[in-house]
Amino acid sequence: EEQLVESGGGLVQPGGSLRLSCAASGFTFSTYWMSWVRQAPGKGLEWVANIKQDGTEKYYVDSVKGRFTISRENAKNSLDLQMNSLRAEDTAVYYCARIYSSSSGTTLDVWGQGTTVTVSS
Amino acid sequence: EIVLTQSPGTLSLSPGERATLSCRASQSVSSSYLAWYQQKPGQAPRLLIYGASSRATGIPDRFSGSGSGTDFTLTISRLEPEDFAVYYCQQYGNSRLTFGGGTKVEIK
Repeated sequence: EEQLVESGGGLVQPGGSLRLSCAASGFTFSTYWMSWVRQAPGKGLEWVANIKQDGTEKYYVDSVKGRFTISRENAKNSLDLQMNSLRAEDTAVYYCARIYSSSSGTTLDVWGQGTTVTVSS
Repeated sequence: EIVLTQSPGTLSLSPGERATLSCRASQSVSSSYLAWYQQKPGQAPRLLIYGASSRATGIPDRFSGSGSGTDFTLTISRLEPEDFAVYYCQQYGNSRLTFGGGTKVEIK
């Protein structure tokens, strides 16, 4: 079964740092782009970052550029999100997701269950 | 950046009725890069439709997607009790993604 499991969420003070991890299993992790998506309490989905299979290309939503870093370790089937200079508005459930591309389209086809990040003093 | 606007914000319908959800893009989107997701409270989103009209694995055929350019539609032909949820459209372009604000389908 294809599975993604996030960890690392928690309560952090404004200005603090947190590192999220996502463990992949059941598929060849190294052959897929991967993504982080977040959802603030009671709000919609917001894309955060993407990373290419080999880690050479990374893309971010403007609101996290310079503060968040997406990375991966294919040998460990692991995806990370290093979050620095956290703000209250970063409070959200963070999901990792697999980007699937085919001749029919590109989409997020496998999602983790999410990990909650709360930024508060 | 392409902005996706979903309407209506909330759709109040009864089981057995037809639901029509709209997703409008601020500029043309390739149909290959338009997807729809369903999300229930406390759960991760679930992929329903990709490539604007292709159903994901295991998705019942009462769900269908259509549209092109800037106007896309998700149709649920006959609502089942488990279909009451929030639905999001999403587009992919230039290695980035954007989501619509969502449409909540609630029981009338």
